[in-house]
Amino acid sequence: NAGVTQTPKFQVLKTGQSMTLQCAQDMNHEYMSWYRQDPGMGLRLIHYSVGAGITDQGEVPNGYNVSRSTTEDFPLRLLSAAPSQTSVYFCASRMTLSYGYTFGSGTRLTVV
Amino acid sequence: AQSVTQLGSHVSVSEGALVLLRCNYSSSVPPYLFWYVQYPNQGLQLLLKYTSAATLVKGINGFEAEFKKSETSFHLTKPSAHMSDAAEYFCAVGDSWGKLQFGAGTQVVVTP
Repeated sequence: NAGVTQTPKFQVLKTGQSMTLQCAQDMNHEYMSWYRQDPGMGLRLIHYSVGAGITDQGEVPNGYNVSRSTTEDFPLRLLSAAPSQTSVYFCASRMTLSYGYTFGSGTRLTVV
Repeated sequence: AQSVTQLGSHVSVSEGALVLLRCNYSSSVPPYLFWYVQYPNQGLQLLLKYTSAATLVKGINGFEAEFKKSETSFHLTKPSAHMSDAAEYFCAVGDSWGKLQFGAGTQVVVTP
């Protein structure tokens, strides 16, 4: 049982490049979310999903896209990377609303 | 809209002393409330959760939290701090639509 797997763990991008952060869970969880963590700001919700085919925006969605074609996978796409997107990104999943999230180990992204 | 406020970005406690971390929330409906802990360079780990079954919630590592509706608070306590409690702690509030919002975090330092 691997839990929530995020790849890559580290990434350096140039301004304007695009990339996809991968997230996969093997717990058959319906709810999945992407957060970014920046010093002093806690975790801010980027996008979330309540099931396959259903996604919605969080508080900081600009510059990011998501899709949820399967229950297991929830990739996060950076359309045109900007230095302001330098952050640590966490993917998380949970079974129901009353369950706590299980977090991945994070992706540290630097945009130069 | 829901929000979470953690009072104090840094807390220093002596080993063996009481740990008290404050969390206040705003929510228009009864919320789901959580506390998470993050050790350096790791993802977040669930400490405990409130889901209306009991106002005093016990979690892992000797932590507990009390839900007080009249004060819209969910403060985290531990009677006796241990060196291994040094970490960052996050309070989070969830709604019925799947969003989970985090506070800015409180860094706990434990001194011998």
